[in-house]
Amino acid sequence: QQQVKQSPQSLIVQKGGISIINCAYENTAFDYFPWYQQFPGKGPALLIAIRPDVSEKKEGRFTISFNKSAKQFSLHIMDSQPGDSATYFCAASKGGSEKLVFGKGTKLTVNP
Amino acid sequence: DAGVTQSPTHLIKTRGQQVTLRCSPKSGHDTVSWYQQALGQGPQFIFQYYEEEERQRGNFPDRFSGHQFPNYSSELNVNALLLGDSALYLCASSYRLNQPQHFGDGTRLSIL
Repeated sequence: QQQVKQSPQSLIVQKGGISIINCAYENTAFDYFPWYQQFPGKGPALLIAIRPDVSEKKEGRFTISFNKSAKQFSLHIMDSQPGDSATYFCAASKGGSEKLVFGKGTKLTVNP
Repeated sequence: DAGVTQSPTHLIKTRGQQVTLRCSPKSGHDTVSWYQQALGQGPQFIFQYYEEEERQRGNFPDRFSGHQFPNYSSELNVNALLLGDSALYLCASSYRLNQPQHFGDGTRLSIL
């Protein structure tokens, strides 16, 4: 049973555009929602995370939007750059250090 | 400040063999989690260690076992290797039980 569904599977954006990746979760006990960025040959790197007491969190060009009633959250990358080309994973857990349940990932390509 | 380090980076084994993977957590971290990432998929939680005890376990058979040492480093052991065990094995560390997890670059295990 996949508890975190991520879409799209792949995304192509032009430099300077907005990249949007969506995730939906099933378990209402989840209270921590991080996004990880993974480059080929590397481990996932924590990008930004949100807890359900806020609806939006912004760090630089990266923003998480959270909709608790719909059990959905999304990552927005503003002014996308070729260096942002990577695979992005959403995840969810009960507490920050508890086991993370990952989505299947979105491969983002930003064309120059 | 060293991040999470894993060894070896690559490993080739044959079916039926046993393997041990090693992880040193980020400085100041005391909790270690292990994940398996199949090609093109998100990481899947194997188990987590805190205070040298297994706290949580994912849906993996008993062939997968682990250990945490007093210096917080950890090992993942897999017995009776199957072709399906071929994957990237990731170690993540965190401080106590409610802080974000940071990943190493993983060990790429190939089973022939």
